[in-house]
Amino acid sequence: AQTVTQSQPEMSVQEAETVTLSCTYDTSESDYYLFWYKQPPSRQMILVIRQEAYKQQNATENRFSVNFQKAAKSFSLKISDSQLGDAAMYFCAYRSRTGGGADGLTFGKGTHLIIQP
Amino acid sequence: NAGVMQNPRHLVRRRGQEARLRCSPMKGHSHVYWYRQLPEEGLKFMVYLQKENIIDESGMPKERFSAEFPKEGPSILRIQQVVRGDSAAYFCASSPIVGVGPYNEQFFGPGTRLTVL
Repeated sequence: AQTVTQSQPEMSVQEAETVTLSCTYDTSESDYYLFWYKQPPSRQMILVIRQEAYKQQNATENRFSVNFQKAAKSFSLKISDSQLGDAAMYFCAYRSRTGGGADGLTFGKGTHLIIQP
Repeated sequence: NAGVMQNPRHLVRRRGQEARLRCSPMKGHSHVYWYRQLPEEGLKFMVYLQKENIIDESGMPKERFSAEFPKEGPSILRIQQVVRGDSAAYFCASSPIVGVGPYNEQFFGPGTRLTVL
């Protein structure tokens, strides 16, 4: 079974600064997807960014980028130019690609990101 | 295109009662997933359904919990004889037909917060 570990229960960053959230995972599979989800106080799960394991290039979405290290099974999220609206819980998630990529997601316990004005 | 809809948003039950949680997937989506989020935890996969079929229920508790996704109507997560430990947020996600698009992204509903008194 796959596991996802987020070792930082809480992180704090000044507005406009850069912050990196850590995520490691354990799997015996070679092909899979990795995701970062944001959960604001409304509790709605919002997809921030995704990465396919076979792609060596790190995914980027505007101010959000990842550092994907497949050999180390590490998948960190970097948020540049932090904004007050970025304050939320952030969850790292894994999804197997076997079975057509239709499996359920495995989530980490989350990191609470605080933005200091 | 309306997003994934869940109702009720909040549900209060006394111990021993039944809880029924409903999920209407996005239009055109035939795959539904249910997740449970306990306080201070990440989401945990419970069950994956297609129309009239349970595909993977490896995350469902063996007793008191059941799920269905009928040919017509919403998916239902049913919890019989609820206990205090069932208090959690229950999220539904839907996905289009497997094979359409590389990611088969799961789109999440706003969740139902169940409180058991």
